Amino acid sequence: TQLLEQSPQFLSIQEGENLTVYCNSSSVFSSLQWYRQEPGEGPVLLVTVVTGGEVKKLKRLTFQFGDARKDSSLHITAAQTGDTGLYLCAGVAGNQFYFGTGTSLTVIP
Amino acid sequence: NAGVTQTPKFRVLKTGQSMTLLCAQDMNHEYMYWYRQDPGMGLRLIHYSVGEGTTAKGEVPDGYNVSRLKKQNFLLGLESAAPSQTSVYFCASSGNTGELFFGEGSRLTVL
Repeated sequence: TQLLEQSPQFLSIQEGENLTVYCNSSSVFSSLQWYRQEPGEGPVLLVTVVTGGEVKKLKRLTFQFGDARKDSSLHITAAQTGDTGLYLCAGVAGNQFYFGTGTSLTVIP
Repeated sequence: NAGVTQTPKFRVLKTGQSMTLLCAQDMNHEYMYWYRQDPGMGLRLIHYSVGEGTTAKGEVPDGYNVSRLKKQNFLLGLESAAPSQTSVYFCASSGNTGELFFGEGSRLTVL
């Protein structure tokens, strides 16, 4: 059972464009995390959002946690080729981490 | 600055063979996890451990066994490999910060 669904599954955009990735669930989580994974490596944590409605910004990346703490979004402004990778959301419940299906982003120069 | 180390990084097995994947972490983390990653399915939890000597089943435990005899090590075993277990396996550990630290992955092919 996949608790978190991400959309889109694949995304290919030109450098400089904006994009949004969505992470949706029917379950409530104590917090939600976003990870980025590059080929041949393990995922690396980008951010943790804890409070419903919370918005966090990391340079060109904006993360939002839904009011009901069931969903989240990742918005990238002016994408760069270095943003290419697999983006994974993870819902946290206690000491368990439930991962989404992933969004593979390719930024074309 | 090792973090989480997985061995081996690549392995090819024949159906029915057995093998063990080793995960070692040097961060003194209590929690350790084994995930498998398949295209379009994200990461799925196989087994996890909340401390030395303890293990628990995750979402997809069938066909796998684990052991955590030492705090820094978490072993994942396949007793009789099947083609459906062809995947990339990731070990992760977590401490008080709630962040998962991952190894580089072990790519397993079962013929």
